[in-house]
Amino acid sequence: DVKVTQSSRYLVKRTGEKVFLECVQDMDHENMFWYRQDPGLGLRLIYFSYDVKMKEKGDIPEGYSVSREKKERFSLILESASTNQTSMYLCASSSTSGQGSNIDSGNTIYFGEGSWLTVV
Amino acid sequence: AQSVTQPDIHITVSEGASLELRCNYSYGATPYLFWYVQSPGQGLQLLLKYFSGDTLVQGIKGFEAEFKRSQSSFNLRKPSVHWSDAAEYFCAVRNTGFQKLVFGTGTRLLVSP
Repeated sequence: DVKVTQSSRYLVKRTGEKVFLECVQDMDHENMFWYRQDPGLGLRLIYFSYDVKMKEKGDIPEGYSVSREKKERFSLILESASTNQTSMYLCASSSTSGQGSNIDSGNTIYFGEGSWLTVV
Repeated sequence: AQSVTQPDIHITVSEGASLELRCNYSYGATPYLFWYVQSPGQGLQLLLKYFSGDTLVQGIKGFEAEFKRSQSSFNLRKPSVHWSDAAEYFCAVRNTGFQKLVFGTGTRLLVSP
């Protein structure tokens, strides 16, 4: 089975702190994602990455950055945490099949169990 | 841009009764469609997916969904609900050129005895 592991399940941080959320997948997936989930808003994409050292902004990147130095690891960084970043954060990964840059594979996206972040 | 609508925020169903959760999408071409389930405090688990072919898709835990292009819908069904099905259900769409998913706002299913 695909395993997407988010190392911190519950965090409480103070306003202005720098926060790192770590995600590791064990299936050699090319694609990794960070979503945040809020009641009534569903899941919204923050950033995603198609390859090592590559990153693309999602729908709500403001206040966040990411790092992908190794294929299996994708980190979400809150440079200066604010109370409106209190949320559940979900990491996900997927594989790209096919040749070359063809990503039209329809592969499934697998999710981690989430990290609950409270900023006080 | 594609979007997903789940018109029901909450649904309550009696145990043993049938279930249908609605999902409508907006996308110009044939999308890839997914249903995920989330138990309290947990991540998302894939129930089923539609990419092409047979429009009736079978998933895990006895769930099925039907893709109806004319109605831009991908409704989730289960003939007999169990108490353990109480959870939040998310419909999602992905276009054929990219990997990222766009989610609906979710439907919370409550199961009454």
